[in-house]
Amino acid sequence: EDQVTQSPEALRLQEGESSSLNCSYTVSGLRGLFWYRQDPGKGPEFLFTLYSAGEEKEKERLKATLTKKESFLHITAPKPEDSATYLCAVQAGGGYQKVTFGTGTKLQVIP
Amino acid sequence: SQTIHQWPATLVQPVGSPLSLECTVEGTSNPNLYWYRQAAGRGLQLLFYSVGIGQISSEVPQNLSASRPQDRQFILSSKKLLLSDSGFYLCAWSEGNQPQHFGDGTRLSIL
Repeated sequence: EDQVTQSPEALRLQEGESSSLNCSYTVSGLRGLFWYRQDPGKGPEFLFTLYSAGEEKEKERLKATLTKKESFLHITAPKPEDSATYLCAVQAGGGYQKVTFGTGTKLQVIP
Repeated sequence: SQTIHQWPATLVQPVGSPLSLECTVEGTSNPNLYWYRQAAGRGLQLLFYSVGIGQISSEVPQNLSASRPQDRQFILSSKKLLLSDSGFYLCAWSEGNQPQHFGDGTRLSIL
């Protein structure tokens, strides 16, 4: 069974204090790994897709990387508006596009 | 561009009452459609998915059902709500193996 474990569950940073969120996964034939941002009371917002080990994607202060066992979401010099829950999800190979989600990391950036 | 609409945003229902949540997608044809439930501190739980009109697959046995009467319309229903049906319900769409995109969800409270 596919599994996704995110750590830490919660992270509190000072504005400008860079850090990383971790997503460890177990999947039969990774088709894609996704990162989402979710604000309170809203649906997840898609950020990145990573397809193979060694791949990196960047968007503003966020950078996602992928290895064969885990993915990292690096946040450089975060701002208070980066506060949100970040979800990781994996899609396995096969005919159906089922996606398994982690429970997320709740990030709080303090001014 | 594609958009997804989900309503209502919040709903308070008595135990034993029926339920109908609606989701529509614009700007795409024959999307894959999904219903998820998100409980506090837990990952997104896939309830139903559909790859075409009238084609519904259920991931977990429960008190809910889903229907897809039109290509871009997905409905989540129940004949009699239980207290355990409370939660945050999310509709999502995708094209093929592309990332899923979510609506803003419905907060359902059962009294």
